[in-house]
Amino acid sequence: ETGVTQSPTHLIKTRGQQVTLRCSSQSGHNTVSWYQQALGQGPQFIFQYYREEENGRGNFPPRFSGLQFPNYSSELNVNALELDDSALYLCASSLGSSGVYEQYFGPGTRLTVT
Amino acid sequence: SQQGEEDPQALSIQEGENATMNCSYKTSINNLQWYRQNSGRGLVHLILIRSNEREKHSGRLRVTLDTSKKSSSLLITASRAADTASYFCATALYGGSQGNLIFGKGTKLSVKP
Repeated sequence: ETGVTQSPTHLIKTRGQQVTLRCSSQSGHNTVSWYQQALGQGPQFIFQYYREEENGRGNFPPRFSGLQFPNYSSELNVNALELDDSALYLCASSLGSSGVYEQYFGPGTRLTVT
Repeated sequence: SQQGEEDPQALSIQEGENATMNCSYKTSINNLQWYRQNSGRGLVHLILIRSNEREKHSGRLRVTLDTSKKSSSLLITASRAADTASYFCATALYGGSQGNLIFGKGTKLSVKP
């Protein structure tokens, strides 16, 4: 176990709705990265938060947004859900923002959009 | 876009055999990491190899890195049924303050008892 937790485990939403996913980082980690993993694919980087600020973003539209709190936990918000948003959402925490640090992944949230 | 590409996409072996998976990438990297994923669950970090390293061992795992060929391989020796999972390589690009990982599509390993 990595010490990174995510909630909820599973979620079913309807197209057009909004969703919030949560991630608690491992103790001592100040960086959280979010990834989307579609079925049969590798994870794709959504964005990273370092010390409460967004620190880089992948190729995802603005309806994907996030927050990081003073305790370094994080939220991923997705507005106006589309069917293609159905995926496993993974968060990972690390000791720092640069690529030299290992990332520790949570178990993921499985989002289904109908 | 995905930088890493694993090969083969799927691999089926008998328990006790060795399994080798390969990964190729496109740009300069800081390090390359291998992860395991069981049945669509979270990713488990296996091993990290830095760009100035050529080989690394961890238990039954051996990872090699050839930066001139932009490729890496993961060898699992004496495989067990519990090794059945998808394996991903992920690269952390060279330079910059943001260390997002770029994953390949993975190799699905099936170890038959």
